[in-house]
Amino acid sequence: NAGVTQTPKFQVLKTGQSMTLQCAQDMNHEYMSWYRQDPGMGLRLIHYSVGAGITDQGEVPNGYNVSRSTTEDFPLRLLSAAPSQTSVYFCASSYVLAGRTGELFFGEGSRLTVL
Amino acid sequence: AQKVTQAQTEISVVEKEDVTLDCVYETRDTTYYLFWYKQPPSGELVFLIRRNSFDEQNEISGRYSWNFQKSTSSFNFTITASQVVDSAVYFCALSGTASGSRLTFGEGTQLTVNP
Repeated sequence: NAGVTQTPKFQVLKTGQSMTLQCAQDMNHEYMSWYRQDPGMGLRLIHYSVGAGITDQGEVPNGYNVSRSTTEDFPLRLLSAAPSQTSVYFCASSYVLAGRTGELFFGEGSRLTVL
Repeated sequence: AQKVTQAQTEISVVEKEDVTLDCVYETRDTTYYLFWYKQPPSGELVFLIRRNSFDEQNEISGRYSWNFQKSTSSFNFTITASQVVDSAVYFCALSGTASGSRLTFGEGTQLTVNP
């Protein structure tokens, strides 16, 4: 039972490089999301999706791109990495019930450093 | 917009003390979910509880208890007889329909339990 799988767990980038953080879930959850966690700032929502083909911006979407071609996968793309994107990234999924998201199931996190 | 406030940034207690973590929320929804998550030093996010806004009964699970008060928009978390293993960052979160199923987190409370 894999749950939510994120790869890679660690990545170092140079400013201006691009990369994709992969996220996959095997629970048939409609809702998927990406958060970043920075010291003293809690978890901030980057992008989210309520189903295949549907994505929307969260609180801090600039510099990131997402797509949801399947229910299982929700990759996060950094278009041109900047030092301000150094953070720990969490992917999470959940069911949706009556328009409200249930408890989130989180991946283990991906620690990204941009030099 | 919905908002979650955890005013206590850090709390330090001695083992066996009781400790309460405060959570105050704002939402325009009449129905919503409230959550608590734990993030131990290892970094993963662990789901603790979900509460539906219709259910104002307090909940107890072992040494953990939750006090939900709609009148004051609060969902406080108490750990009784704290232990060193309770040391973690604790997040309160809110999910409603007005914000399109997004889950909004508070900034977290760092709890340190000293032996």
